[in-house]
Amino acid sequence: DAGITQSPRYKITETGRQVTLMCHQTWSHSYMFWYRQDLGHGLRLIYYSAAADITDKGEVPDGYVVSRSKTENFPLTLESATRSQTSVYFCASSDVVGELFFGEGSRLTVL
Amino acid sequence: DQQVKQNSPSLSVQEGRISILNCDYTNSMFDYFLWYKKYPAEGPTFLISISSIKDKNEDGRFTVFLNKSAKHLSLHIVPSQPGDSAVYFCAASDENTSGTYKYIFGTGTRLKVLA
Repeated sequence: DAGITQSPRYKITETGRQVTLMCHQTWSHSYMFWYRQDLGHGLRLIYYSAAADITDKGEVPDGYVVSRSKTENFPLTLESATRSQTSVYFCASSDVVGELFFGEGSRLTVL
Repeated sequence: DQQVKQNSPSLSVQEGRISILNCDYTNSMFDYFLWYKKYPAEGPTFLISISSIKDKNEDGRFTVFLNKSAKHLSLHIVPSQPGDSAVYFCAASDENTSGTYKYIFGTGTRLKVLA
């Protein structure tokens, strides 16, 4: 199906483990974004990508790593998860400046 | 330092009345603004947008107003319906020196429309 999908939708991990959240879009949008949603903070930008092999830091990039080898995929990796990274993560895509299309979110709990 | 602020965490409105959600920003270089609605356990969905060259944009029951001099935008919902109960986020587009764009979101306002 066309759209933007995130996996896993739910994940529980332990402190210090590596976790990768996947994001896949079928529109061939040039831009992709990762946000985290936390109470009192709204949606904060972690990383974004303007095209394949072009990535840039957002507002809260520390502790996260991204890559974009293909236009349709934009995985987010927590190399050593911490409790403060417990959050709901949203991936989004857009075609240059315009409407952002969001995935359904990945709820991550770090114990 | 929050560049996009929604100072009202919550708002309650009677069904049929007007809902006004406010958003302030600090960066005068922001040139495109969007409003999103979010239901629990779902991703945000696009509502309406406005370019900095305009001061108003309307789409059905939703109108967005932009006051560039005050760095303020607002979303008006008329008439409000119970199905409008959700969290609303405003967002601003920021162009980097490299010519790429990113979107900065506010903290959100939870709207409750009372039947």
